[in-house]
Amino acid sequence: EIVLTQSPGTLSLSPGERVTLSCTASQSIYSNFLAWHQQKPGQAPRLLIYGASSRATGIPDRFSGSGSGTDFTLTISRLEPEDFAMYYCQQYGNLPLTFGGGTTVEI
Amino acid sequence: EVQLVQSGAEVKKPGESLKISCKGSGYSFTRNWVGWVRQMPGKGLEWMGIIYPGDSDTRYSPSFQGQVTISADKSITTAYLQWSSLKASDTAMYYCARQGREYSSSPHDAFDMWGQGTMVTVSS
Repeated sequence: EIVLTQSPGTLSLSPGERVTLSCTASQSIYSNFLAWHQQKPGQAPRLLIYGASSRATGIPDRFSGSGSGTDFTLTISRLEPEDFAMYYCQQYGNLPLTFGGGTTVEI
Repeated sequence: EVQLVQSGAEVKKPGESLKISCKGSGYSFTRNWVGWVRQMPGKGLEWMGIIYPGDSDTRYSPSFQGQVTISADKSITTAYLQWSSLKASDTAMYYCARQGREYSSSPHDAFDMWGQGTMVTVSS
């Protein structure tokens, strides 16, 4: 099973700031099959990034993903108030599919 | 519009059985894998398993194998998650989610659409 470790656990930031979230895999992820999901309190998750760097439909370009192999990053170039949420990375290259433990981005 | 609509919240007693549902619409239900994800109160996301409604090919996480059953009825475009004997530790929010790629022979794609979630509470 591929274990995904997200860091940091919590980030306290202000609107307008740039944020970088990290996701490290215990082994290389096949074809960089790595996604990022956003979850706000009381809501279902929403896909932001797939294939490590491709934005999902309707996702603003302030969200970007990068990385390969075992190290991946989600960057929000300029935080908007609606971006304060939990972020999960997920690999889908190997079964079982696995999620990271999440990073909270809070004000 | 592509949608996954899940059944409503459930309150059950330990030992009872339960089947929750996830109805897909706005797309060809048989062409995309549909997975189930658990989120225990205040915790992260855990993948439970996934089914391809076209032929009912089903894969389970080792953590959930034998604990739940995933099925689908393509005639009514609905996927199911069921328990034969609930435990208090099954208390959680359960989400279904669709993988985006059509006609894939294996479940290796991102979840591009999520249901709204079904809260299951198991308490005596």
